[in-house]
Amino acid sequence: EPEVTQTPSHQVTQMGQEVILRCVPISNHLYFYWYRQILGQKVEFLVSFYNNEISEKSEIFDDQFSVERPDGSNFTLKIRSTKLEDSAMYFCASSEGIGLKVQQYFGPGTRLTVT
Amino acid sequence: AQTVTQSQPEMSVQEAETVTLSCTYDTSESDYYLFWYKQPPSRQMILVIRQEAYKQQNATENRFSVNFQKAAKSFSLKISDSQLGDAAMYFCAYTSGSEKLVFGKGTKLTVNP
Repeated sequence: EPEVTQTPSHQVTQMGQEVILRCVPISNHLYFYWYRQILGQKVEFLVSFYNNEISEKSEIFDDQFSVERPDGSNFTLKIRSTKLEDSAMYFCASSEGIGLKVQQYFGPGTRLTVT
Repeated sequence: AQTVTQSQPEMSVQEAETVTLSCTYDTSESDYYLFWYKQPPSRQMILVIRQEAYKQQNATENRFSVNFQKAAKSFSLKISDSQLGDAAMYFCAYTSGSEKLVFGKGTKLTVNP
């Protein structure tokens, strides 16, 4: 069964550095998402992406974040200047479409540690 | 704003027994979907079961069933005949059709042999 994959599984970076988290969505999916979970907190929506554009974003997704689909398979989340509070688990997801019945398929996550 | 609350950070169950995980939510929408996702250690979050708000009948998937109480805004997950492979984090989630899922904090389920 096709799966969403994410790399790396764990990323350690210093405060102020740029990081790029990578995701390979399921190949025939058209909608892509990033969520994050700070330790002990809820999984929170960051952004959704469709047709090479951001379609929805949360208030967390400020100017230090960006997303890109650089080729036909990868979907990336860039954090320009990491802060300590960016330490979290970041989940990528994809779906065939949107709407109430549509299932989002999640990757295993990337644990980002900012020191 | 929609919120999802899971009040049990951790639960444990004996193998072959039944366990119920709680979830409450808050919304002013009339049509929405509720989900339970399972995340085994270091693995993907996978969909366990989902329920449409307009359907009165509780969803069932093999050993997994829900108790959906729309008026009380409650959506609990019952796991029958628990197996060691059921050990995981369980997340309750909600969507009203926008592109985002709203999640609870999760419940860590331990299954004791």
